[in-house]
Order: sequence, then structure tokens, then C-alpha cells
Amino acid sequence: DAKTTQPNSMESNEEEPVHLPCNHSTISGTDYIHWYRQLPSQGPEYVIHGLTSNVNNRMASLAIAEDRKSSTLILHRATLRDAAVYYCILSNFGNEKLTFGTGTRLTIIP
Amino acid sequence: AAGVIQSPRHLIKEKRETATLKCYPIPRHDTVYWYQQGPGQDPQFLISFYEKMQSDKGSIPDRFSAQQFSDYHSELNMSSLELGDSALYFCASEPGGISYNEQFFGPGTRLTVL
Repeated sequence: DAKTTQPNSMESNEEEPVHLPCNHSTISGTDYIHWYRQLPSQGPEYVIHGLTSNVNNRMASLAIAEDRKSSTLILHRATLRDAAVYYCILSNFGNEKLTFGTGTRLTIIP
Repeated sequence: AAGVIQSPRHLIKEKRETATLKCYPIPRHDTVYWYQQGPGQDPQFLISFYEKMQSDKGSIPDRFSAQQFSDYHSELNMSSLELGDSALYFCASEPGGISYNEQFFGPGTRLTVL
């Protein structure tokens, strides 16, 4: 599986946008980019996914670089409930097990 | 909305004992994944099933076995338990099919081996 690189931790002020980066320089043409997050004491939770184009949903936006070697998860207005570990994961359709890396621990400052 | 159900939520066993963890996927989900998360670690994929057949296998010890039953629930059987098996075990389900589907995770079973 292609690997991803994320900062270990980030901090953001409440009610401000958060940009979580992910590098995946060895991504293949058929790899999807997934983001999951894990809140304290809970199972991981799907956030968003994409292949080539930018994506928006009710939780977040995903901006994918034109060469697909990096992506950014955008939380438009962080709340205290967004404090979690955010994982950027690559996988092929048809081989959809999730290979979790170390993720980014996001702290929200009130 | 219905979620993934895991039982038991907490389990305490002695070394060399056996344990069985159960996972009940969301209705109409035919694919189940098992993940292990050790203390302070990230989740690691163990095994998955699609339509009652094993579909993929990760770093699952030979002491562990799993299956998916006709009602799509799954059981993870763990024998000769070791201290290092103490972890959170998550089950996730997805509808399967020809398009991408997100995985829905259960609350996990916390296994403590003494």
C-alpha cells in the first residue's frame, strides 16, 4: 500500500478553519484518498474521500493537488467536538481494508 | 439509524484462555472488517469478510480465527491469549457492491488479558 505522511499534531482555535495536510507522493492512479477520524474512546469515523477532484460534504472539504501527491482536509469552522486523530489513508477500490498510519492529533483551543 | 453492534464491550481474560468477540453489522451490509488497536497505537487491519467468505487478511496471529455467518454477523475467536493481545478490537461494516462505500465502525470491544 502507498504510504501517507501527516504532521503528528496540530492546534486550531475554535470557530476557525482548519487545514490538515497529507503527503502521498507514491500514490497510484487507482488509489482513492480517504479521511477518517477517531474521537477519544470511539471507533474511527468516516469523514470524506476522493480520487482526483475536490470534494465537499456536510463534514468537510477535500482539496486534492493536481498531481495527486498531496491533499488537504478542510474543516470550515472547527468546534470542540472536532478534536480527534485524523487519518489520511490510501486504498484501491476492491481492496478496501484501511491501513492506518500515525495520523494527526487535532487539538481545538476554546 | 442502526449502527454496528459489538459484544461484549469489555472482556477480561487470563493468559492462555480463549475469547470470542462478536460483531453485528448494519442491516444489509455484507462486508465486515476487524481491526486491532493496542494501547497508544493506531488501528491495524486483521481480517475481512465479504458474503461470508474471507476477502483479505492482515497481521492476524495464527491463534486467531474468524468467520462470517449466514446472517452476516461475524465472530473473532482468540485462543492461547497473551498479554500483548490486550487491545481494543473494532469491527466495521460496509454495504459492498460495485461503488465505493465508507466503513462504519462499531464502538469496539476492550480486551484485557491478565
